[in-house]
Amino acid sequence: KNQVEQSPQSLIILEGKNCTLQCNYTVSPFSNLRWYKQDTGRGPVSLTIMTFSENTKSNGRYTATLDADTKQSSLHITASQLSDSASYICVVTWRQAGTALIFGKGTTLSVSS
Amino acid sequence: EAQVTQNPRYLITVTGKKLTVTCSQNMNHEYMSWYRQDPGLGLRQIYYSMNVEVTDKGDVPEGYKVSRKEKRNFPLILESPSPNQTSLYFCASSLGLAGSYEQYFGPGTRLTVT
Repeated sequence: KNQVEQSPQSLIILEGKNCTLQCNYTVSPFSNLRWYKQDTGRGPVSLTIMTFSENTKSNGRYTATLDADTKQSSLHITASQLSDSASYICVVTWRQAGTALIFGKGTTLSVSS
Repeated sequence: EAQVTQNPRYLITVTGKKLTVTCSQNMNHEYMSWYRQDPGLGLRQIYYSMNVEVTDKGDVPEGYKVSRKEKRNFPLILESPSPNQTSLYFCASSLGLAGSYEQYFGPGTRLTVT
């Protein structure tokens, strides 16, 4: 069964600290993997997208890595800010006839001062 | 400004009273879809449309209808809402298939059915 599992479910860190969010998937075959940031009560916004041939992609203080062999991805946030408080969602595209997006349930990050 | 808009943003209604949530995009995107988001379940696709007059079911289509008469609009219709449809709804659009192109989400519609 195609699944995307994210960990931890929630995380609290101090402002200025780094953190890493995990995404494990069983989707096969897959086309790409995306990380979205979703502020409370708002729509998700894309942070990064990686194909199976890419193993890292950065967007400012956000760096995503992908290991297609182990089917794992991580999102590393450097020097966290209060505005990083949000839910982070991992989405894997299942390459089939047409394409299907398999969503993880997200990790809720709280950055405190 | 390129965007996806939804209306209303908040809606409280009663069981059985038909409602429509509108969605519009100004990016000339062909692909549009509707999602619901519930605590602990994440985003789940309700319906999607690959072009005008072409719609298809997603993972949780029961109790919903959609139409795509124009490229820019993709309304979500609840003919007879029930309390289990209380949720946060998002419309999204992309240039082509959502798996291959960047997907842009609307601001969300919070629906409560009593």
